[in-house]
Amino acid sequence: DAGVIQSPRHEVTEMGQEVTLRCKPISGHNSLFWYRQTMMRGLELLIYFNNNVPIDDSGMPEDRFSAKMPNASFSTLKIQPSEPRDSAVYFCASIPGQSYNEQFFGPGTRLTVL
Amino acid sequence: QKEVEQNSGPLSVPEGAIASLNCTYSDRGSQSFFWYRQYSGKSPELIMFIYSNGDKEDGRFTAQLNKASQYVSLLIRDSQPSDSATYLCAVNMRYEGSGGSYIPTFGRGTSLIVHP
Repeated sequence: DAGVIQSPRHEVTEMGQEVTLRCKPISGHNSLFWYRQTMMRGLELLIYFNNNVPIDDSGMPEDRFSAKMPNASFSTLKIQPSEPRDSAVYFCASIPGQSYNEQFFGPGTRLTVL
Repeated sequence: QKEVEQNSGPLSVPEGAIASLNCTYSDRGSQSFFWYRQYSGKSPELIMFIYSNGDKEDGRFTAQLNKASQYVSLLIRDSQPSDSATYLCAVNMRYEGSGGSYIPTFGRGTSLIVHP
């Protein structure tokens, strides 16, 4: 298996632009997590899905952030409009089942908002 | 507020020494505890998990759990320069807003430097 796939790996955009981050979980994994990592705040859970349904989105910072999982093999995290303080590394992770065991992380997307 | 606390470091140890990394957590009901290693510019990878009080050993790594004290630690014996990384403690915590699901909560990590 190729592992969790994220795209793009790097994104540089200007303030006010829309940004879409993409994630393909490991086949057969039915829970998916989106995280944001910064030096100041560490690794923060933004939202998590189980069987394509959002279970907890309390970590989404504000209405500018939205996430979808239209099917078991694809999820997006959208920021509109983007702001410089959104600059961070965004990770997607997946696990088999709902019980939390090892999380398999994707390589991350490094987002820079100018 | 559900919290996982770690000393950010850096923790600097000489090659061959024992590195001790510590983590405390706020939710007394937590049952699952994990240590991830993250190299600079890379994603976290699991190195140990522990569910029961006591010690769990895997090669040079030992995880220690004390639920009464809400404390989990990671010992790395015979530290090598290749162990230099950030170590993240993760704890499953129950959030009512998630329908009672256990949500992974990460500490901010401890930076470990092993010098030759």
